[in-house]
Amino acid sequence: DGGITQSPKYLFRKEGQNVTLSCEQNLNHDAMYWYRQDPGQGLRLIYYSQIVNDFQKGDIAEGYSVSREKKESFPLTVTSAQKNPTAFYLCARLKGQGEWAFFGQGTRLTVV
Amino acid sequence: QKEVEQNSGPLSVPEGAIASLNCTYSDRVSQSFFWYRQYSGKSPELIMSIYSNGDKEDGRFTAQLNKASQYVSLLIRDSQPSDSATYLCAVTENRGSQGNLIFGKGTKLSVKP
Repeated sequence: DGGITQSPKYLFRKEGQNVTLSCEQNLNHDAMYWYRQDPGQGLRLIYYSQIVNDFQKGDIAEGYSVSREKKESFPLTVTSAQKNPTAFYLCARLKGQGEWAFFGQGTRLTVV
Repeated sequence: QKEVEQNSGPLSVPEGAIASLNCTYSDRVSQSFFWYRQYSGKSPELIMSIYSNGDKEDGRFTAQLNKASQYVSLLIRDSQPSDSATYLCAVTENRGSQGNLIFGKGTKLSVKP
């Protein structure tokens, strides 16, 4: 798994519900990122974190929240404020600044 | 708004041919450039990284970078049906000290047997 694990693989959400996507890494890397991918689109940055207890908004943070209480964990919550949450969500770890990203297997979220 | 542009394709090549994928970027201070391959329904996987002008070869893959023209390309020699995938170009954005990655929308490659 390249040291990064996302769960679940598929997730279904009812209208108005919050859901949390899990992302765990075991390589002691500082930088972790959340991206969203829509069909036929590239990856858009939601949130990122460089160190524990600190995180920054990306380009499309509205309707999402994150936490970084432990170095190995960076969960993403899709809140009811996110109006169009159906997408493929990817978590990534980076070894350092300017380094390449290694992705988890992704979580496919569908609103039902 | 920093941008990374790619032709969406699909790019169709016969088996054994050379596939050429192109990418342009808007941020002149970008320092790191990456090509990812993404199979349908899967997460992207890194296939090439390039940091300086010129060519970098790895097996059947060659990445080419021209910072003056803000252009990076990927050549795939002896294309195989298993190379059929979407190829994403990614460039570092120098947002202060963060160096976040910006992705293009990808080019879909189809290699016909």
